[in-house]
Amino acid sequence: NAGVTQTPKFQVLKTGQSMTLQCAQDMNHNSMYWYRQDPGMGLRLIYYSASEGTTDKGEVPNGYNVSRLNKREFSLRLESAAPSQTSVYFCASSTREASSYNSPLHFGNGTRLTVT
Amino acid sequence: DAKTTQPPSMDCAEGRAANLPCNHSTISGNEYVYWYRQIHSQGPQYIIHGLKNNETNEMASLIITEDRKSSTLILPHATLRDTAVYYCIVRVATGGTSYGKLTFGQGTILTVHP
Repeated sequence: NAGVTQTPKFQVLKTGQSMTLQCAQDMNHNSMYWYRQDPGMGLRLIYYSASEGTTDKGEVPNGYNVSRLNKREFSLRLESAAPSQTSVYFCASSTREASSYNSPLHFGNGTRLTVT
Repeated sequence: DAKTTQPPSMDCAEGRAANLPCNHSTISGNEYVYWYRQIHSQGPQYIIHGLKNNETNEMASLIITEDRKSSTLILPHATLRDTAVYYCIVRVATGGTSYGKLTFGQGTILTVHP
């Protein structure tokens, strides 16, 4: 049981390049999330997928797109990377009870992205 | 979500209990108290959460005051591997615009020393 797995662990891009961050979970969770963590800014939600087949914008969606490929996988794409997207990106997942969203998030170990 | 206040740092001797306080005086009735920690270079790790009753799991205990304005996370027998930043978060139970939103403050840097 690996939990939430993110690839790659590290990536360096040049401005304007594109890339996709991959995330997979093996906990049969319905909901998945992408966050970025910057010094002094805490965790900020980029996009989330409440269930397979749905995606919604979070706090900072500009410059990103997502795909919920199936129940296990949720990818984050940077179409044209910018230096402001230098950050640590975390994927997370959670169960989703029918009557409440009160369930803890389980995080991967992050992708450290540098855009030069 | 309600704001939380935590001490910036704490020390604890290995094998002793670590008691980490959190103030959340503006908490609402439908907000849960969550604790996460982040060990250097890793993703945040869920520890425990509760509404108004004290909770215990294999990692820690959570004590919430009767007025719910503060709480304490207890690691009963701290080890060196518990050295991390600990975040106290209050979060609404229902979704809507807050869905997925997890506001991490500055947290408490806990250092466990031999």
